[in-house]
Amino acid sequence: GAGVSQSPSNKVTEKGKDVELRCDPISGHTALYWYRQSLGQGLEFLIYFQGNSAPDKSGLPSDRFSAERTGGSVSTLTIQRTQQEDSAVYLCASSLKNPPDTQYFGPGTRLTVL
Amino acid sequence: AQTVTQSQPEMSVQEAETVTLSCTYDTSESNYYLFWYKQPPSRQMILVIRQEAYKQQNATENRFSVNFQKAAKSFSLKISDSQLGDTAMYFCAFMDSNYQLIWGAGTKLIIKP
Repeated sequence: GAGVSQSPSNKVTEKGKDVELRCDPISGHTALYWYRQSLGQGLEFLIYFQGNSAPDKSGLPSDRFSAERTGGSVSTLTIQRTQQEDSAVYLCASSLKNPPDTQYFGPGTRLTVL
Repeated sequence: AQTVTQSQPEMSVQEAETVTLSCTYDTSESNYYLFWYKQPPSRQMILVIRQEAYKQQNATENRFSVNFQKAAKSFSLKISDSQLGDTAMYFCAFMDSNYQLIWGAGTKLIIKP
């Protein structure tokens, strides 16, 4: 079946602009995660959605970052007033059930802030 | 704080050789999960193997196996009969009791023909 998809694949924006990154999880997966991967680094947890529960936002680096998940499926990560340090690959993952179920990753969105 | 350390930034081996990637972690928890993920140039993060800490038997998936030493907090990945398609970044990850994945910095593995 279809895997996790993300759009856009690449996004170039100017400092100060807002951006929206989209994630479509695997159909039927109840858990959804966002991570950030800076160049040559491991992944940094951002936010976790599980069903209709309140999301775990403990990894969001600042109040410029927000995310929502509509209808328990598609998720959008929004970065307001982008800064150059926001440049990174943003990865989305989903899992069938609660953790520690295996997470399946999308191809990521490479964000470049000029 | 829990940490994951991968001490080998880059490794290179000939095709068909065996290679071992090291990973150590620091935690005070007794129940947790460990993972190895592979990230080829396509950026897609792919699960290679998973180990539950409560299991003493080392996990194996075809050519991939782990050496899990709980007391030493070590979780190395062995790739046997390496293939060109194994060329990728390999990340070790630890899942804590809050179910967050904590990642190492990665090891770049190059398989030479």
